[in-house]
Amino acid sequence: GAGVSQTPSNKVTEKGKYVELRCDPISGHTALYWYRQSLGQGPEFLIYFQGTGAADDSGLPNDRFFAVRPEGSVSTLKIQRTERGDSAVYLCASSSLAGGRSRELFFGEGSRLTVL
Amino acid sequence: AQSVTQLGSHVSVSEGALVLLRCNYSSSVPPYLFWYVQYPNQGLQLLLKYTSAATLVKGINGFEAEFKKSETSFHLTKPSAHMSDAAEYFCAVSGSQGGSEKLVFGKGTKLTVNP
Repeated sequence: GAGVSQTPSNKVTEKGKYVELRCDPISGHTALYWYRQSLGQGPEFLIYFQGTGAADDSGLPNDRFFAVRPEGSVSTLKIQRTERGDSAVYLCASSSLAGGRSRELFFGEGSRLTVL
Repeated sequence: AQSVTQLGSHVSVSEGALVLLRCNYSSSVPPYLFWYVQYPNQGLQLLLKYTSAATLVKGINGFEAEFKKSETSFHLTKPSAHMSDAAEYFCAVSGSQGGSEKLVFGKGTKLTVNP
């Protein structure tokens, strides 16, 4: 597709379960970002990939959160032992590396996670 | 560290009235600043950005923003609001040069346009 695709769009799970959220970036975009947006808040940075490697994972809240991008394209955000506080919209964005700090991020529509 | 503060979580204007959404930033390096818009059930999209060239930046849909270093501000304006401008607007600042190039977002301002 032309834009960033995220699946599932909605996920309801029970406390303690494992969840995977998938992001399919724009073709050719080397940089990929995960953000989390809680109700009434702005997007909060989680992790940034350049290619296959995580260039900055300083936003991951704890070791229950993990993300991979094994082939430098699709990325999966993995949450273990989910807690009610993990409920949020998880946003993925991609960009080319051109422009450095000024480059535009292209966002997907997000995956809404609800932990009961 | 970089941060932005958006004053006013909700702004309501009449159609045809001036739109002013406020953003103040804090940055340890010369900032790159952005405004993103999020329409209902859509992803965030870039409205405009400041990258140390002209201080008055024009974006899509008639929006513009002015970088004022002395006031550490980057307020977003539009002379005449349209119903289609109703959305949530986020100000953001880029990360430190040479380090992470993540964007740091404000909490957002929800704009309502009344007929």
